[in-house]
Amino acid sequence: DVKVTQSSRYLVKRTGEKVFLECVQDMDHENMFWYRQDPGLGLRLIYFSYDVKMKEKGDIPEGYSVSREKKERFSLILESASTNQTSMYLCASITSGMEGYTFGSGTRLTVV
Amino acid sequence: GENVEQHPSTLSVQEGDSAVIKCTYSDSASNYFPWYKQELGKRPQLIIDIRSNVGEKKDQRIAVTLNKTAKHFSLHITETQPEDSAVYFCAASMNTGFQKLVFGTGTRLLVSP
Repeated sequence: DVKVTQSSRYLVKRTGEKVFLECVQDMDHENMFWYRQDPGLGLRLIYFSYDVKMKEKGDIPEGYSVSREKKERFSLILESASTNQTSMYLCASITSGMEGYTFGSGTRLTVV
Repeated sequence: GENVEQHPSTLSVQEGDSAVIKCTYSDSASNYFPWYKQELGKRPQLIIDIRSNVGEKKDQRIAVTLNKTAKHFSLHITETQPEDSAVYFCAASMNTGFQKLVFGTGTRLLVSP
């Protein structure tokens, strides 16, 4: 089974802090994604990456950046956390020929 | 870009009834439509999908239908069971190679015994 591991299940950070969310997959997938999930809004794409050092903005990239220095690891960075970034963050990966994403278990981030 | 609308936002049924969740998409270039189920506190899991060259697909009690002309697709669950209670998300993507999905807003399905 493909595993997508997110480093933290719950995280509490202060406004203005720089926050790093880590995602690691173990199956050599090319494509990795960061979504945030909010009630009534579904899953919205923040950033995705289709190769090492390659990144593309999703639908809501403002206030976020990403890093993909190694194929297995895709990091989401909140440059200066704000309360409106309190959310569930889901990482996912997929490779060509697969039928669906494999999601991580999510990180519930609270910014106070 | 693509926009996916999903209805209803909540759906309550009695055990044994059928449930239907509907989605519409905006970009006629979209050609892949998966459905995900997310149980409380768990990650979304793919339950069924359909590609644009097919009108209907079934897997036991679940089925998905696609109307390309109207740009809508639906999830049908028959003989619902309490373990079907979850949030269901539809999604759409184009065959760009990036496999980027645009999700609907989700439907909370509650199946009462």
